[in-house]
Amino acid sequence: ETGVTQTPRHLVMGMTNKKSLKCEQHLGHNAMYWYKQSAKKPLELMFVYSLEERVENNSVPSRFSPECPNSSHLFLHLHTLQPEDSALYLCASSQMGGATGELFFGEGSRLTVL
Amino acid sequence: KQEVTQIPAALSVPEGENLVLNCSFTDSAIYNLQWFRQDPGKGLTSLLLIQSSQREQTSGRLNASLDKSSGRSTLYIAASQPGDSATYLCAVSGNTPLVFGKGTRLSVIA
Repeated sequence: ETGVTQTPRHLVMGMTNKKSLKCEQHLGHNAMYWYKQSAKKPLELMFVYSLEERVENNSVPSRFSPECPNSSHLFLHLHTLQPEDSALYLCASSQMGGATGELFFGEGSRLTVL
Repeated sequence: KQEVTQIPAALSVPEGENLVLNCSFTDSAIYNLQWFRQDPGKGLTSLLLIQSSQREQTSGRLNASLDKSSGRSTLYIAASQPGDSATYLCAVSGNTPLVFGKGTRLSVIA
């Protein structure tokens, strides 16, 4: 596998469920990101991990809980979500401190909260 | 706080036309600017990245320019094709990770 892989691609959950989104990068990068994309809004940065340490949390509600066990894997744990959390969740990776800092994205996980 | 604006929000052109998409940003202290393409329901595909020290980058029929002092970038698409239909997003990287515009939705009509 190459690039950035996200699973599942589609997820439907109730407001009381607990689920997780998974992201894996095969690019040897040292930074990973979660972005949220809602209709008619710009992409919103949620979390940044660099060398497995969380370096930025853009005031995201605690019902979203990230986990980065190593530089290749990133999870987003979801619990007690609201219908307004329905969106496309995109994972990305980059090489911080590298020559370009170019960001590479996965295909996204489409989340619907009922 | 960095803000990125893309004009127009939507654009429809006949096949074969050359076109320009615009991106402006409020804080000129950037490291780089990246243009992405997004097809419906899909992730983002990186098209071009321009470092702050560069003026332009080219890839095939695409050319992106950067004028840091005026806070502007343009994406030029030559000889447009129906397969170019997608949303094009501009993003800038500075003291914070990438800040995105809302995108320009392009339709190329055969």
